[in-house]
Amino acid sequence: GAGVSQSPSNKVTEKGKDVELRCDPISGHTALYWYRQRLGQGLEFLIYFQGNSAPDKSGLPSDRFSAERTGESVSTLTIQRTQQEDSAVYLCASSLTRGGLGEQFFGPGTRLTVL
Amino acid sequence: AQSVTQLDSQVPVFEEAPVELRCNYSSSVSVYLFWYVQYPNQGLQLLLKYLSGSTLVKGINGFEAEFNKSQTSFHLRKPSVHISDTAEYFCAVSDRGGDSWGKLQFGAGTQVVVTP
Repeated sequence: GAGVSQSPSNKVTEKGKDVELRCDPISGHTALYWYRQRLGQGLEFLIYFQGNSAPDKSGLPSDRFSAERTGESVSTLTIQRTQQEDSAVYLCASSLTRGGLGEQFFGPGTRLTVL
Repeated sequence: AQSVTQLDSQVPVFEEAPVELRCNYSSSVSVYLFWYVQYPNQGLQLLLKYLSGSTLVKGINGFEAEFNKSQTSFHLRKPSVHISDTAEYFCAVSDRGGDSWGKLQFGAGTQVVVTP
């Protein structure tokens, strides 16, 4: 595709519900990243996928958060039993390779609001 | 462990005036450095990056940044801003190796507001 796409663009949910966010990376990009951007704050790393290697989950804030990626394609970020503090913009990025030599291309984000 | 500090949360500037956005970082290893811009209601876009070589890096839209290793800084500058430069600017750091390699650590962002 032309760029990284994310869906939905906006999601409003009630506290305690599960939500699933989707990311379609740029075709051929082996690395995929999820970040969270809370209001007025910088981006916070959540999880990273590189090809078929085990994902780096070191940034996930709790066990309510999980993510999957099939091969080098679509990724889904799942938040179970959502809490109000989960409200944020969730950004996905992809890059050709791991590391700084591979520029990360960002999607437009999913704005999650937990009531 | 890395950290990135953007010293100004908001910078108001008049059109055609120069602007400087400050960024300081800390890391126990060598780093790559980035500036990203986020226009209203859009995703992040890379402005410029420092990987190696010349410490003065030129990016898109007339922006440039200078890497200062001794001061652990990577300040962003533009000599003359336009209204269209109104956006949020993020400084980011990535370790060159180790467990954190590839993960970007972002600053909190600097909101630039350009007025006529």
